[in-house]
Amino acid sequence: GQQLNQSPQSMFIQEGEDVSMNCTSSSIFNTWLWYKQDPGEGPVLLIALYKAGELTSNGRLTAQFGITRKDSFLNISASIPSDVGIYFCAGQAGDDMRFGAGTRLTVKP
Amino acid sequence: DGGITQSPKYLFRKEGQNVTLSCEQNLNHDAMYWYRQDPGQGLRLIYYSQIVNDFQKGDIAEGYSVSREKKESFPLTVTSAQKNPTAFYLCASIARGTGGDYGYTFGSGTRLTVV
Repeated sequence: GQQLNQSPQSMFIQEGEDVSMNCTSSSIFNTWLWYKQDPGEGPVLLIALYKAGELTSNGRLTAQFGITRKDSFLNISASIPSDVGIYFCAGQAGDDMRFGAGTRLTVKP
Repeated sequence: DGGITQSPKYLFRKEGQNVTLSCEQNLNHDAMYWYRQDPGQGLRLIYYSQIVNDFQKGDIAEGYSVSREKKESFPLTVTSAQKNPTAFYLCASIARGTGGDYGYTFGSGTRLTVV
């Protein structure tokens, strides 16, 4: 099945910097989700988006559901060391949920 | 606390052996899923079940089998037919809402290694 195109694959940033990552798809989704995964653990939901154009924040995280319903981005402001991990986007349409390959974030103190 | 419990956390399999990974949830969720995760790749769907006694193949079902005899439980068996089973396996569940779904709740995963 088709997976989402998530970029960048990895990021190395300094503590305090802002981060941006995005996902695109050739298919339309009704819901976009962003997850964070710590090593050896399951992904944890960060933000869920349900409407095209929707912009949602969760603390230092902001995500948007693209107007075309084929893309989404996640921003993290003022990064801190505990932001380290792999961030996954997911698009859902009915019973079909597809995941990006993940963005591996490293934050240097 | 409600959640999904996967066990064991680490599992070692010999060549030609079948092994079963456990997934139990107390969230009263209807749908349950099994995903495989390999380094540098997204999650790939193995099997899913929307109701008890019913399940469907995902994108990479070959070499795997499942059962759904109870709403709370969705075990995955990795059979000897799966030629490259070393991976991180994630179980997830989702509640069905009239307004839509609300994303997956994931277990903490099982790392399977062939020795």
